[in-house]
Amino acid sequence: DAKTTQPTSMDCAEGRAANLPCNHSTISGNEYVYWYRQIHSQGPQYIIHGLKNNETNEMASLIITEDRKSSTLILPHATLRDTAVYYCIVPVGSNYKLTFGKGTLLTVNP
Amino acid sequence: DAGITQSPRYKITETGRQVTLMCHQTWSHSYMFWYRQDLGHGLRLIYYSAAADITDKGEVPDGYVVSRSKTENFPLTLESATRSQTSVYFCARAPHGEIYEQYFGPGTRLTVT
Repeated sequence: DAKTTQPTSMDCAEGRAANLPCNHSTISGNEYVYWYRQIHSQGPQYIIHGLKNNETNEMASLIITEDRKSSTLILPHATLRDTAVYYCIVPVGSNYKLTFGKGTLLTVNP
Repeated sequence: DAGITQSPRYKITETGRQVTLMCHQTWSHSYMFWYRQDLGHGLRLIYYSAAADITDKGEVPDGYVVSRSKTENFPLTLESATRSQTSVYFCARAPHGEIYEQYFGPGTRLTVT
C-alpha cells in the first residue's frame, strides 16, 4: 500500500468536530483513500473512501486536497463512542489486502 | 451490524487439534476475507475468496485451509493448531467491484495451549 502518515494520537471534546489528518504524498492518480476505524476489542469498521472529490456519508466527511497528497476525515459531532484508532489506507494494485498502519488514536473526552 | 457473524467468539484448544472458525454473511457479497491480528503485526491477510469455489492465499496462509461452497459461508480451518496461531481472527466481506470496502465481523479470539 502507498505510504500514509498520521498523527499518533488526538483528543477531541464530545460534541465537537474531530478532524483527523493523513498525508499520502506518493499517491498515484487512480488510487483511492480509504478510512477505517477500530474500537477496542471490535473488528475494524469501514468509514468512507474517495478519489479526489469530497465525500460524505452518515458517519463522516472526507476532504481530499486538490493535489491529493493529503486528506482529512471529519466526524462532525464526536461522541464518546467514536473513541477508536483511525486508519487512513491507500491500497495499491489488486492484491485484495488492506494494510493497517499504526493509525491515530482518537480519544473523545466528556 | 456489519452483516457478518463469526463463531465461536472465543475458543481455547490444544496444540495439534483441528479447529474450524466459522464465518457467515447475511449479504451475498462476492468477496470474503480472513485476517489475523496480533500485537506488533497488525492485521495480516490469511486467505481470501472472490466467489464461491474460488479462493486464494494471502500473506500468511501456512497452517490454514479454507473452503467456500456457498457464497455466504467462508470457514477457516487450522489443521493442526500451534501456539503461534494464538490470535484474534477476523472475517470480512466486500461487494463485487469494491474489494477494499470491507465489512468485518466481531472476531474470534483463539488461544492454543
